[in-house]
Amino acid sequence: QSALTQPPSASGSPGQSVTISCTGSSSDIGAYDYVSWYQHHPGKAPKLVIYDVSRRPSGVPNHFSAYKSGNTASLTVSGLQAEDEADYYCSSYAGSNHVVFGGGTKLTVL
Amino acid sequence: QVKLVESGGGVVQPGGSLRLSCAASGFIFSSYGMHWVRQAPGKGLEWVAFIRSDGSDTYYEDSVKGRFTISRDNSKNTLYLQMDSLRAEDTAVFYCVKDLKVAASQPYYFHYWGQGTQVTVSS
Repeated sequence: QSALTQPPSASGSPGQSVTISCTGSSSDIGAYDYVSWYQHHPGKAPKLVIYDVSRRPSGVPNHFSAYKSGNTASLTVSGLQAEDEADYYCSSYAGSNHVVFGGGTKLTVL
Repeated sequence: QVKLVESGGGVVQPGGSLRLSCAASGFIFSSYGMHWVRQAPGKGLEWVAFIRSDGSDTYYEDSVKGRFTISRDNSKNTLYLQMDSLRAEDTAVFYCVKDLKVAASQPYYFHYWGQGTQVTVSS
């Protein structure tokens, strides 16, 4: 199972929207709707922000949204706030009881 | 609230062993599958292992299969990771993670995370 591909960095100004892509294959993202996204402030515990491709866990603000098309999943952060600055990781079930993560995207709020 | 506290990390020589523990509280531990996820220095997250809620099945990332063993004691609300034949590339922060869904049969989602414990493999 290979890691998913994410851009190393993304940025936007406060109030803007930013979309982070996550490219996999027909063996992971393309095959299953078990895609999730995690926010990680360095030094703190990662936080689940999206699961089942586009669902938000209780307590996660609605300026996080996500979808997938084919072998690519995307996370959109709308109305950027300073506290959204973090590393973001995608993840997908990859069959055979394995999970793969993306390499992570560092989101900078300018 | 959910609390996961890892312990047992440290410095070990290549070929050595370590046993990580994770004390869980704030939820019905015996109802949820549990994971270990790691992050090597300067690298991204990597799933390591999953154990079902009742301990009946375990699954591993390929590079640790045969060297690491995940287990749990539901009477003590504790998750373990026995790590043998450690390599330099196992150096990482190891996180204990609660699955999202009750009685998950396979590793899908990582809901609540501990703060992590550092494992350093070096001579």
